[in-house]
Amino acid sequence: QVQLVESGGGLVKPGGSLRLSCAASGFTFSDYYMSWIRQAPGKGLEWVSYISSSSSYTNYADSVKGRFTISRDNAKNSLYLQMNSLRAEDTAVYYCAREGPLKGYFDYWGQGTLVTVSS
Amino acid sequence: DIQMTQSPSTLSASVGDRVTITCRASQSISSWLAWYQQKPGKAPKLLIYKASSLESGVPSRFSGSGSGTEFTLTISSLQPDDFATYYCQQYYGTFGQGTKVEIK
Repeated sequence: QVQLVESGGGLVKPGGSLRLSCAASGFTFSDYYMSWIRQAPGKGLEWVSYISSSSSYTNYADSVKGRFTISRDNAKNSLYLQMNSLRAEDTAVYYCAREGPLKGYFDYWGQGTLVTVSS
Repeated sequence: DIQMTQSPSTLSASVGDRVTITCRASQSISSWLAWYQQKPGKAPKLLIYKASSLESGVPSRFSGSGSGTEFTLTISSLQPDDFATYYCQQYYGTFGQGTKVEIK
């Protein structure tokens, strides 16, 4: 069965960096676009970034552009999010999600990893 | 950027009720819309894609309709497991702010 397991969250000071990982299993990882989506405490969902199956295309929300970098390693079935210059407003649960076969929507989600940006 | 607006923000209903949630896009998105269910402390779960296609394994009491700028998610007979928050999402982008379905 499809599994997505995030790791790497934690407490970081404003201006700091963090790298999230997502380990995928149960499907051919290299066939699918992947995304990161976040949810601030008590708030709604915000799409953060996507990457195409071969890493040829990436895109970012304006709120993270220039600070976050998405990447993947198809040999390791892994997705990453490098987060730099972190701000208090980046505090959220970060989910990795697989895009559905028709792309643009998300058919499987991980359990999420909490990132807290605070001094 | 396209904005997605859901209504109502909160809905109180009883088991067995028919429930309808509306999602409006600030410009036409054709049928490129998905619906998700989220329970507290859990990841969202896909219910509907391409506005009206039911995801595999999702009960048939859930249905979606609409195109262009106005969309609806309908639960034909609300079950105890359906009390949750529901989000619409335009493909490749914005989510609605969510609709919480509460027990009346």
